[in-house]
Amino acid sequence: EPEVTQTPSHQVTQMGQEVILRCVPISNHLYFYWYRQILGQKVEFLVSFYNNEISEKSEIFDDQFSVERPDGSNFTLKIRSTKLEDSAMYFCASRATHYEQYFGPGTRLTVT
Amino acid sequence: DAKTTQPPSMDCAEGRAANLPCNHSTISGNEYVYWYRQIHSQGPQYIIHGLKNNETNEMASLIITEDRKSSTLILPHATLRDTAVYYCIVRGVSGSARQLTFGSGTQLTVLP
Repeated sequence: EPEVTQTPSHQVTQMGQEVILRCVPISNHLYFYWYRQILGQKVEFLVSFYNNEISEKSEIFDDQFSVERPDGSNFTLKIRSTKLEDSAMYFCASRATHYEQYFGPGTRLTVT
Repeated sequence: DAKTTQPPSMDCAEGRAANLPCNHSTISGNEYVYWYRQIHSQGPQYIIHGLKNNETNEMASLIITEDRKSSTLILPHATLRDTAVYYCIVRGVSGSARQLTFGSGTQLTVLP
């Protein structure tokens, strides 16, 4: 069964550094999402992406964040200058024309 | 999207049916009820969704009341691997890239 994959599974970075989290959505899906979950808290929406542009973004998704689909298969989330409070699990999700979203296993980002 | 209310936790004996309730009294006519689950910080997993008819798939059944103000997710024969946080999410279908809004969900613990 096709699945969303994410790399790396765990990323440790120093405050102020840039990180790129990578996702490979399911191949025939058209809608792509990033969510995050701070330890012990709810899953929060960050951004949705369709037709090579951002469709919606939350107030968490500020100028430090960007997304890209560079080659038609990967979908990346970049954090330009990480802060301690960016430490979280980051989940990528994708969706076809049906309504259910399929999530990847997540990347644990630890900012020290 | 309509707000949902779920009990914070439930226990269920292994092999028995787990019935997880959800109230969504402000649901509107074009909003669907979705169920996802999250097993210990893994990516959320889609379970089932419905509009007004009862639905069944290989994972679960979804019973929606006639007035659509509440629903119940049924896991017919719960196993230890079903221990997870279960999220009931109401979402409209308008807006092609609509994100999911996760609440706190119900922590289901399946007991041996």
